[in-house]
Amino acid sequence: GQNIDQPTEMTATEGAIVQINCTYQTSGFNGLFWYQQHAGEAPTFLSYNVLDGLEEKGRFSSFLSRSKGYSYLLLKELQMKDSASYLCAVRDRFSDKLIFGTGTRLQVFP
Amino acid sequence: NAGVTQTPKFQVLKTGQSMTLQCAQDMNHEYMSWYRQDPGMGLRLIHYSVGAGITDQGEVPNGYNVSRSTTEDFPLRLLSAAPSQTSVYFCASSYSKAGAGLNSPLHFGNGTRLTVT
Repeated sequence: GQNIDQPTEMTATEGAIVQINCTYQTSGFNGLFWYQQHAGEAPTFLSYNVLDGLEEKGRFSSFLSRSKGYSYLLLKELQMKDSASYLCAVRDRFSDKLIFGTGTRLQVFP
Repeated sequence: NAGVTQTPKFQVLKTGQSMTLQCAQDMNHEYMSWYRQDPGMGLRLIHYSVGAGITDQGEVPNGYNVSRSTTEDFPLRLLSAAPSQTSVYFCASSYSKAGAGLNSPLHFGNGTRLTVT
C-alpha cells in the first residue's frame, strides 16, 4: 500500500520562499508529482520527479530523495496568486495508480 | 482540443437514485481515472483504467461502477446514491500505462459537484 504525508496548512509572506514537504511510503515507486489546486478548481500539474535531485521550473522547484521517501516543493518570490493547495502524489510502479496526499493549503499574505 | 470533459458540473440526487457521471477525453490517453475529493481527505482514487476494456478498483470503489468500452470515455455510475457520496468528483487521464511513459501527468476535468440528500 501507499501512505503520503504533507502538512495541512502553511502561511507565508509575499516575496518570501516557502518549502512544502512530502513524505511517502510505497511498495513500488514510479515517480512523484506535485499539483496545484486553487479553491473550486481542478488540480493542475506543477512538477515531476523520478530520480533523486532537484528539478527547477521558474519560481518552482521540486526535490526528491528516494532512499528517504521524501520530496519537497520550493516556491520562490511568492505571489498572492500562489495561495492554493499543493498536492503531492506518488505513482505506483505495478498498477500505474496515482495516489495523492491530503494536500497542503498555502496562504500568502501581503 | 477540449482535454478532459466532465458532465454534469452540478447534480443533486435523492438517496437511492442512480446516475452516471460522464467523462470524455480527446487526447488519446490510455489511462483514465476517477477521484473524489472531500474536505480533509484529499483526492481518493475510486476506479481507474489502463486501456479500453480494462478497469480496476482504487482506494474507495464501493458504491461505484465503471466501464471503458472506448479509449475516449470512462463513465462513473452510482447505482443507489447515499449521502456519504456527496463530494466533488474529478475524472483524470494521462498517456501512461503500467511500466511505460513515466513523465505523464494526469490531466483533470473541471469536476462534478454532487449532493445526495
